[in-house]
Amino acid sequence: QSALTQPPSASGSLGQSVTISCSGSSSDVGDYNFVSWYQLHPGQAPKLLIFDVNKRPSGVPDRFSGSKSGNTASLTVSGLQAEDEADYYCSSYSRSDVVLFGGGTKLAVL
Amino acid sequence: QVTLKESGPALVKPTQTLTLTCTFSGFSLDTSGIRVNWIRQSPGKALEWLARIDWDNSKWYSTSLKTRLTISKDTSRRQVVLILTNVDPVDTATYFCARGGANYPGFYFDYWGQGALVTVS
Repeated sequence: QSALTQPPSASGSLGQSVTISCSGSSSDVGDYNFVSWYQLHPGQAPKLLIFDVNKRPSGVPDRFSGSKSGNTASLTVSGLQAEDEADYYCSSYSRSDVVLFGGGTKLAVL
Repeated sequence: QVTLKESGPALVKPTQTLTLTCTFSGFSLDTSGIRVNWIRQSPGKALEWLARIDWDNSKWYSTSLKTRLTISKDTSRRQVVLILTNVDPVDTATYFCARGGANYPGFYFDYWGQGALVTVS
């Protein structure tokens, strides 16, 4: 069982928005603004989407945004496109475990 | 252009020692703020962070695996090596190396390799 909790699946229609949650604790997500999000397509290298809760690396579309409230971080994908269908993982710095990942969310674009 | 590539044995027997090498280009591990991490993903499971080494040779290890892990760097060869001792079938995974982000404390991963599948059997 992963230390950060994500829903195993999420879905949305083309053009719609979907939000994926990532729940942690006061030892990680709640106490540090060091949450990041990754997109994994099968057979490809993982891609960084968001770091430090809400910062986007250059080249990542602004359709991807991050936020945090208390012990829960969220990734919102707006204007869903077919190529957004992938697995998404959150990660956080942790006072006790250094780095934690979530269990991953499989996003389906309908 | 930043690239990372993992290499190592595809098959390891239980109780043996696994040695993985990450060869990178496009950056140097003797530049301040540069960090390289190892992360793995067991089949059908979540990502799991393993270890990190920094430009100043600081090292960080997963709490649950730190007694079995050693990370080291060869700056001139642009390589980072991960050693995992006493492997078990549960260590079967795709092992990724990834560069740590520049923003302090750098516990995010901005470039990843494609990964190397290691089976313990």
